[in-house]
Amino acid sequence: EAQVTQNPRYLITVTGKKLTVTCSQNMNHEYMSWYRQDPGLGLRQIYYSMNVEVTDKGDVPEGYKVSRKEKRNFPLILESPSPNQTSLYFCASRMKPGGGDYGYTFGSGTRLTVV
Amino acid sequence: RKEVEQDPGPFNVPEGATVAFNCTYSNSASQSFFWYRQDCRKEPKLLMSVYSSGNEDGRFTAQLNRASQYISLLIRDSKLSDSATYLCVVRPMNYGGSQGNLIFGKGTKLSVKP
Repeated sequence: EAQVTQNPRYLITVTGKKLTVTCSQNMNHEYMSWYRQDPGLGLRQIYYSMNVEVTDKGDVPEGYKVSRKEKRNFPLILESPSPNQTSLYFCASRMKPGGGDYGYTFGSGTRLTVV
Repeated sequence: RKEVEQDPGPFNVPEGATVAFNCTYSNSASQSFFWYRQDCRKEPKLLMSVYSSGNEDGRFTAQLNRASQYISLLIRDSKLSDSATYLCVVRPMNYGGSQGNLIFGKGTKLSVKP
């Protein structure tokens, strides 16, 4: 089944304790992206990647890191989480535009609470 | 002006009603347009793409007006299961130097009541 898999689904952590949220897709998509969603603010892009070893900042990159060593994986790293990073996080992937444009496929989300 | 703007709602309608969502976008060079549906605390899912000629999928009709930079979604004969948040999504031509990025509106919440 074609899908984007995020782990974990739920995470409660303490301020300053490094964590990684994993994201993997099995559709051979070039583009991958991380979003956070907060009430009243909608989906805001954190980082995106156009292909292996190509990443760039989105609208709210502060406090986050990403890597794209393989096409299928795009982990989100919080080196020193803070309470303002408490949010619902989504990973998404899509084909390179051209010859049909199908939008993003999203993972099921990771609900992160930083205390 | 916000890049993608939607009425936040909520829209509370009875079953069987016709409901229309509107969306405006600021980048005139935008290339692709979508409507996504998001159920509470779940991931957004693609509902339909929006084409210049307009397109229909069952009870759902999407329209695009490039001159006015306006997108719409019409739901006819609404069902209880249509209750969700509807997100307007646009792919600008030159956003961030990447042609892959999508810009999301904040969504319009729909609640269909019996």
